[in-house]
Amino acid sequence: EAGVTQSPTHLIKTRGQQATLRCSPISGHTSVYWYQQALGLGLQFLLWYDEGEERNRGNFPPRFSGRQFPNYSSELNVNALELEDSALYLCASSVDSLNTEAFFGQGTRLTVV
Amino acid sequence: DQQVKQNSPSLSVQEGRISILNCDYTNSMFDYFLWYKKYPAEGPTFLISISSIKDKNEDGRFTVFLNKSAKHLSLHIVPSQPGDSAVYFCAANPYGNKLVFGAGTILRVKS
Repeated sequence: EAGVTQSPTHLIKTRGQQATLRCSPISGHTSVYWYQQALGLGLQFLLWYDEGEERNRGNFPPRFSGRQFPNYSSELNVNALELEDSALYLCASSVDSLNTEAFFGQGTRLTVV
Repeated sequence: DQQVKQNSPSLSVQEGRISILNCDYTNSMFDYFLWYKKYPAEGPTFLISISSIKDKNEDGRFTVFLNKSAKHLSLHIVPSQPGDSAVYFCAANPYGNKLVFGAGTILRVKS
């Protein structure tokens, strides 16, 4: 069974640009979560999508947004990139919104220069 | 305000000995807890979980203990192996909501 897949693995952008990160959940999983892990920090919750709807968002500015498609894959968009957005972005999926166990992808390393 | 706290940034243990990783939480509504292991350049991997109706859960070398009155849980790894060297994240799951993670503890198992 394929796990959670994220693309691209690495992404380099300049300040002010937009970044789009993609996530494909495990087949049959309807909930997708996005987390940011900045250098030296733990995992910070960004967004939660379930059944195509945004269910919750963390304490991040509106330039962090996303969506979930009918096939449950998801995109994370970061507009007006700032240097401090450089981080590992992790996507996780769970079989439903109860989220008793979430499975993570390998992450996208975003570097803003 | 951190709702899940892992106060030890790192832990070093000799191979074969017990590793004990600790985690405290502040929200008494949390009812499900998970431990994740993360190697460099990889996503976190689910390790073990425990529901608030239990005080202990075992899976092979890994045991998680939950003390609800103290709002404290711990992960025991016995015996520790060099391959256990990783970052360990404690997480709480407020029912039907996002996972809330601690900052992580780096475990180094020396051979």
